[in-house]
Amino acid sequence: SFELSQPFSVSVALGQTARVTCGGNNIGSKNVHWYQHKPGQAPVLVIYRDSNRPSGIPERFSGSNSENTATLTISRAQAGDEADYYCQVWDSSAVFGTGTKVTVL
Amino acid sequence: DVQLVESGGDLVHPGGSLRLSCAASGLTFSSYVMTWVRQAPGKGLEWVSAISGRGRGTYYEDSVKGRFTISRDNSKNTLYLQMNSLRADDTAVYYCAKAPHYDIMIAYFYMDVWGKGTTVTVSS
Repeated sequence: SFELSQPFSVSVALGQTARVTCGGNNIGSKNVHWYQHKPGQAPVLVIYRDSNRPSGIPERFSGSNSENTATLTISRAQAGDEADYYCQVWDSSAVFGTGTKVTVL
Repeated sequence: DVQLVESGGDLVHPGGSLRLSCAASGLTFSSYVMTWVRQAPGKGLEWVSAISGRGRGTYYEDSVKGRFTISRDNSKNTLYLQMNSLRADDTAVYYCAKAPHYDIMIAYFYMDVWGKGTTVTVSS
C-alpha cells in the first residue's frame, strides 16, 4: 500500500512560518488533503486537493504538491494552530500520513 | 451547519460485539459517502470503512474485513458500524466522517466534516 511519511514534530515561533511535509513516491501525481486534529476534538479539513482551502479556514493555511513531497504551510503561526496535522491521499483506499505535531513556541 | 454525533462506544471483552451509530444533521444524508476512521491510543488516523450514498458500495480495511459491517439508514440520517469478534487492537476512538462525494472510488477522495468520536476499549 501507498506510504506517506511526515516528520514527527515541527516547532515554530509565534508569528513565523511552519512547513509540514508529506513524502510519498510520486505524490505529485495524487491529490493531497490535510487535516488538523486537536486533542479531544473532531479533525478539521484545512486543505483539499493540494491547495484548496475550505470555507472558514484562514488564508494563513496553504498547500503545495510536487514530485515526491506535498507541503502544508502555516503562515503567521498562532497559538491556536498547535495540533497534529495529517496528510491523506487516495490509493484504492484513503491513506493517511503518520502525522506531525506542530508546536508554537 | 453539518453535524455528526457518534455514540455507542464502550468497554467490551475480547470476542465481544458493539454497534456504533453516527447521527447526521444539516445535510442531504443520502447524497454522500460516509466513513469510519479510527485512532488507536498514541497512533495516527486509520480509515476503517466507508459506504456509498445509497449503501450499494462498501469498503473495509483489511484488518476488519469479515468482522465489521457498515450500514446506513437514510430515512433516519444515521450511519452504523457493527463490530464483531473485537480484539484488543480495535481499541480506539472511532470517528464518523462525511465525504463530499456520492461514490467511494474517487481519485480525489477526502472527508470534509468529522464528528468528535466515540471511544471503544477492548479489554478483559
